[in-house]
Amino acid sequence: GNSVTQMEGPVTLSEEAFLTINCTYTATGYPSLFWYVQYPGEGLQLLLKATKADDKGSNKGFEATYRKETTSFHLEKGSVQVSDSAVYFCALPLNDYKLSFGAGTTVTVRA
Amino acid sequence: NAGVTQTPKFQVLKTGQSMTLQCAQDMNHNSMYWYRQDPGMGLRLIYYSASEGTTDKGEVPNGYNVSRLNKREFSLRLESAAPSQTSVYFCASSGVSSGKRRDTQYFGPGTRLTVL
Repeated sequence: GNSVTQMEGPVTLSEEAFLTINCTYTATGYPSLFWYVQYPGEGLQLLLKATKADDKGSNKGFEATYRKETTSFHLEKGSVQVSDSAVYFCALPLNDYKLSFGAGTTVTVRA
Repeated sequence: NAGVTQTPKFQVLKTGQSMTLQCAQDMNHNSMYWYRQDPGMGLRLIYYSASEGTTDKGEVPNGYNVSRLNKREFSLRLESAAPSQTSVYFCASSGVSSGKRRDTQYFGPGTRLTVL
């Protein structure tokens, strides 16, 4: 069945550093791929998504490209801020109703 | 447009007590979900409701019951709380909107439950 494997954290960075969080997937066909973000004390928010191969999702300076050759959907940001400190989850659908989430990567950005 | 709302935000129970977590969405979504989040375990699906009038078990349904009261509301009940149910509970919803695929889920702010 469909599943994602996400880079484990925690990740600690300085402000303005480059961030990459790796996510690889196993899937039948080409389902949508998602990155969700959870800020401290809050619920998950959709950060970005890509609905087909070679699509690039982007939001708030974050980008991820749906790469079928490497079955990957890595999250990147060129210059992180303290406000980007959060837990990031990669996800893909199991079927029409269920999502499979990665374990989450905790990112801490220091001033 | 409030999105997904959950009540209460915090709750402390004693072992054996019962309670109901409430969830409502105003996005006219067909599908709703209950998850629990525990340190090191990620998000685990407890129950979901694909559409009004249907409910199905997820990965960890034991000790919980759900009710899809109407299209907007989906409640989670703990009949006899146990310390193992100490967790953060999230409700989510998904549905077709403006022609988009219905696989995007939208989450509420969570209920932080402690069972002593």
